[in-house]
Amino acid sequence: EAQVTQNPRYLITVTGKKLTVTCSQNMNHEYMSWYRQDPGLGLRQIYYSMNVEVTDKGDVPEGYKVSRKEKRNFPLILESPSPNQTSLYFCASSPFFSGRLDTQYFGPGTRLTVL
Amino acid sequence: GQQLNQSPQSMFIQEGEDVSMNCTSSSIFNTWLWYKQDPGEGPVLLIALYKAGELTSNGRLTAQFGITRKDSFLNISASIPSDVGIYFCAGPPPGNNRKLIWGLGTSLAVNP
Repeated sequence: EAQVTQNPRYLITVTGKKLTVTCSQNMNHEYMSWYRQDPGLGLRQIYYSMNVEVTDKGDVPEGYKVSRKEKRNFPLILESPSPNQTSLYFCASSPFFSGRLDTQYFGPGTRLTVL
Repeated sequence: GQQLNQSPQSMFIQEGEDVSMNCTSSSIFNTWLWYKQDPGEGPVLLIALYKAGELTSNGRLTAQFGITRKDSFLNISASIPSDVGIYFCAGPPPGNNRKLIWGLGTSLAVNP
């Protein structure tokens, strides 16, 4: 089954404790992205990657890191989480056919709480 | 940053009613996308529009690409309880096909 998986689905942590949220897709997509979703603010892009070893900042990259060592994986790293990073996080991937970014496939989401 | 304006922000309707929502921008867009997010899940693409004036249907859903290229509309006919969710419009901003700009969503509730 074609899908984007994220782990963990739920995470409660404390300020300053490094964490990683994993994302994996089995569709051989070039493009992958991380979003955060907050009430009243909609979906905001954190980072995206056009291909292996190619990453770029989105609209809200502060406090986050990403890496793209393999095509299928795009982990999101919070080196020193803070309470304002409490949010619902989504990973997405896209085939990016003909330079067109439209059919993004989203993972199920990771609900992160930072105390 | 640039943003798409969606209206209404929320809707509460009776089962069987038709629904209309729209999305506007101050800039011209070359692609309009409509996504739906079911409670507790990630957004799923419903309809993609690529040409001004284009009208595309997906079951009971119909979306239109405005002729000014600054707006788009989504209609749902004969709503059913499973239409509940948040509907987002999105599109790549002018001159940048590497990211999407998103609206804040229209939250739809359907009373059976």
